[in-house]
Amino acid sequence: QSVLTQPPSVSGAPGQRVTMSCTGSSSNIGAGYDVHWYQQLPGTAPKLLIYGNNKRPSGVPDRFSGSKSDTSASLAITGLQAEDEATYYCQSYDNSLSVRVFGGGTKLTVL
Amino acid sequence: QITLKESGPTLVNPTQTLTLTCTFSGLSLTTSGEGVGWIRQPPGKALEWLALINWKDDKAYSPSLKSRLTITKDTSRNQVVLTMTNMDPVDTATYYCANRKGSYGYDYFDYWGQGTLVTVSS
Repeated sequence: QSVLTQPPSVSGAPGQRVTMSCTGSSSNIGAGYDVHWYQQLPGTAPKLLIYGNNKRPSGVPDRFSGSKSDTSASLAITGLQAEDEATYYCQSYDNSLSVRVFGGGTKLTVL
Repeated sequence: QITLKESGPTLVNPTQTLTLTCTFSGLSLTTSGEGVGWIRQPPGKALEWLALINWKDDKAYSPSLKSRLTITKDTSRNQVVLTMTNMDPVDTATYYCANRKGSYGYDYFDYWGQGTLVTVSS
């Protein structure tokens, strides 16, 4: 069981907007630690998508955005494209466990 | 351009020690702020952070695996080495090394290697 909880799956049609959540607790997201998001395409290594809650690395389209509130964070994708079909992981730090923690991942299906 | 690549055995016997090497370019572990971490992913499962080392030679380990892990760096060779003792079949996973950015507790993994699948079996 991951310290950060993500829904196992979400889906959307091309062009739509989808969001996925990452729920933590007072010892990680709620303690003020940043949330970062990674995209893992099938059979490939994870790729940094969002860092510091809402910052995009160079080259990441502005269709991807992140937000954080209280003990949870969200990743939103607008203008959904077939190439966005992947598994998305959130990551933060937990001060009670002294560990970098990942969520269980959300598999995005583009219908 | 930052690149990282993992190398090591693909098959390990139970109870053996695993040694993985991360060879990188485009970054230097003599530069302030730089770090390299290891993350693993069992087949079909989520990512799990294992360890990291920074330019000051500070090291951090996952508490659940700390007794089995050692991370070191060789700045002259641009390499970071992870050893994991007493391997078990549950340690079968793809092991990734990644460039770590940000400050302690707020850090994230910017560039990733392609990963190397390690199978633990007799």
